[in-house]
Amino acid sequence: RKEVEQDPGPFNVPEGATVAFNCTYSNSASQSFFWYRQDCRKEPKLLMSVYSSGNEDGRFTAQLNRASQYISLLIRDSKLSDSATYLCVVNRPGNQFYFGTGTSLTVIP
Amino acid sequence: NAGVTQTPKFQVLKTGQSMTLQCAQDMNHNSMYWYRQDPGMGLRLIYYSASEGTTDKGEVPNGYNVSRLNKREFSLRLESAAPSQTSVYFCASSEVFSGTDTQYFGPGTRLTVL
Repeated sequence: RKEVEQDPGPFNVPEGATVAFNCTYSNSASQSFFWYRQDCRKEPKLLMSVYSSGNEDGRFTAQLNRASQYISLLIRDSKLSDSATYLCVVNRPGNQFYFGTGTSLTVIP
Repeated sequence: NAGVTQTPKFQVLKTGQSMTLQCAQDMNHNSMYWYRQDPGMGLRLIYYSASEGTTDKGEVPNGYNVSRLNKREFSLRLESAAPSQTSVYFCASSEVFSGTDTQYFGPGTRLTVL
């Protein structure tokens, strides 16, 4: 079983829509959680960390459910510039990071 | 600040050839990493260096070697390239070797092995 699993999509949504991505992780000892963004043929960049109580950064909200071992990312009022692949990343003891395969989002005018 | 730089950007090798991928960071980070990204697989850790003078294997180390030349530079060597090593290689760095620290990635090297 993969350490981190994501629905690859693609998600095609109109501008202004709200879209949510989920990610599940297999190791219950996982300690830290992140969402990275990767534009086409570019390097991944940190979008936001995910905290146990949930956290928000502008139009982006991240949630963690340890009991069910999943992480979510909600994007409100989607912009064209949000089009990218979103990578779910999990860190467990030993400090190695495990990346999901990514969820592709295209925001349509 | 250039951040994390990688050379070359593109490379084509024949099976059996060797090459070294170079990575440098100017953020005074202690930890550096090499990943490969393949379609449908996500990024996978090849090797990492938690601090200058140390290196450790990641998830997929076979066929690779690394050298932490100094605090700034971390190179990845393919001694005898194989078609299965066709991939995009990313170098990354973080301030410390911590589960909570942000990793900063270089622009990647696109390698094709024929």
